[in-house]
Amino acid sequence: EAQVTQNPRYLITVTGKKLTVTCSQNMNHEYMSWYRQDPGLGLRQIYYSMNVEVTDKGDVPEGYKVSRKEKRNFPLILESPSPNQTSLYFCASSSNPHLPTGSFQETQYFGPGTRLLVL
Amino acid sequence: DAKTTQPPSMDCAEGRAANLPCNHSTISGNEYVYWYRQIHSQGPQYIIHGLKNNETNEMASLIITEDRKSSTLILPHATLRDTAVYYCIVRVNSGGYQKVTFGTGTKLQVIP
Repeated sequence: EAQVTQNPRYLITVTGKKLTVTCSQNMNHEYMSWYRQDPGLGLRQIYYSMNVEVTDKGDVPEGYKVSRKEKRNFPLILESPSPNQTSLYFCASSSNPHLPTGSFQETQYFGPGTRLLVL
Repeated sequence: DAKTTQPPSMDCAEGRAANLPCNHSTISGNEYVYWYRQIHSQGPQYIIHGLKNNETNEMASLIITEDRKSSTLILPHATLRDTAVYYCIVRVNSGGYQKVTFGTGTKLQVIP
């Protein structure tokens, strides 16, 4: 079954304690992305990756790191979490991100979400 | 980046057509309009996308105005399971890479 998985699904941690949220997809997609969702703010993109070893900042990258060492995995790293990073996080993937027209035509598949609480 | 504007909420009677509008007045010629929906706090789900022409699939229809400055997502026979937040997105290119901007969406409530 084609899917995007995230772990953990729920996490409570304390300020400053490094954590990693994993994301994995089994569709051989080139493009992967992380979003956070907060009440009243909708979905905001944190980082995205066009392919292995290629990552770039989204709209809200501060306080986050990512890496893309393998095509299927795109972990989100919070080196020193703070309470303002309490949020619902989604990972997404899609194929064929760069077409000759420059337009993105492939749909994104989203993971089930990770609910993070930083105390 | 082309931004989108959607009403924050709408109601629709069960069995009726739900028409969800979206304004994207700064859309450029090669940008597509995408619609996703998010049920409760699940991951967003793709619905439909289009460039210029109207599109239809098993879930919905997408009507894009001739000037491409707005579009309407139509759920022809809304059911209670269609209650969700609907996002209209215009895909952008940023230096050849794919940055994505979601707005706050329209919360559709289907009423029995």
